Amino acid sequence: KAGVTQTPRYLIKTRGQQVTLSCSPISGHRSVSWYQQTPGQGLQFLFEYFSETQRNKGNFPGRFSGRQFSNSRSEMNVSTLELGDSALYLCASSLALGTTYEQYFGPGTRLTVT
Amino acid sequence: KNEVEQSPQNLTAQEGEFITINCSYSVGISALHWLQQHPGGGIVSLFMLSSGKKKHGRLIATINIQEKHSSLHITASHPRDSAVYICAALNFGNEKLTFGTGTRLTIIP
Repeated sequence: KAGVTQTPRYLIKTRGQQVTLSCSPISGHRSVSWYQQTPGQGLQFLFEYFSETQRNKGNFPGRFSGRQFSNSRSEMNVSTLELGDSALYLCASSLALGTTYEQYFGPGTRLTVT
Repeated sequence: KNEVEQSPQNLTAQEGEFITINCSYSVGISALHWLQQHPGGGIVSLFMLSSGKKKHGRLIATINIQEKHSSLHITASHPRDSAVYICAALNFGNEKLTFGTGTRLTIIP
């Protein structure tokens, strides 16, 4: 089956702009999580969506938001971009069934803010 | 103190050596996730385990819930194993992953 896809793969924006990143999960996976990876902070959890509802949120400012559609595809939005938002943004889709749990990561979107 | 700590931070070894990467966590977890990240950023899930031991090819992961410790072993290491290995603690209740800082492994031919 197809893996997790993220678009775009690379993006360059300027300070103050906003950006929307997209993630399509593996078919049948209803949970999508977003992560930010920077050299200084490593990987950090942004938020997680399940059945169009945000179930959990990490410690990021309100400029970071997301949503999930009925087909489980998810988008995250960052408004008023800052230089520090330059990072690799990863999404992962997961499926939990009884004692079985699987999670797959997408290739990431590399955002550069200038 | 980080909730998830890994050691060593960097590891260089000769091809063929047995590799061990350690992960200790202080949070309550549902499972421990081992990830591999190659240059370029792509992350691959290697193992998710909540007890005992799992093996896949030359990779073995173990976890001791009482001691809150997990290890990732690589047997007969190969240069293509060179990557950053990251452990992450998963809480099933909120799907939140808390990541270690990673171990950069370099295998020299």
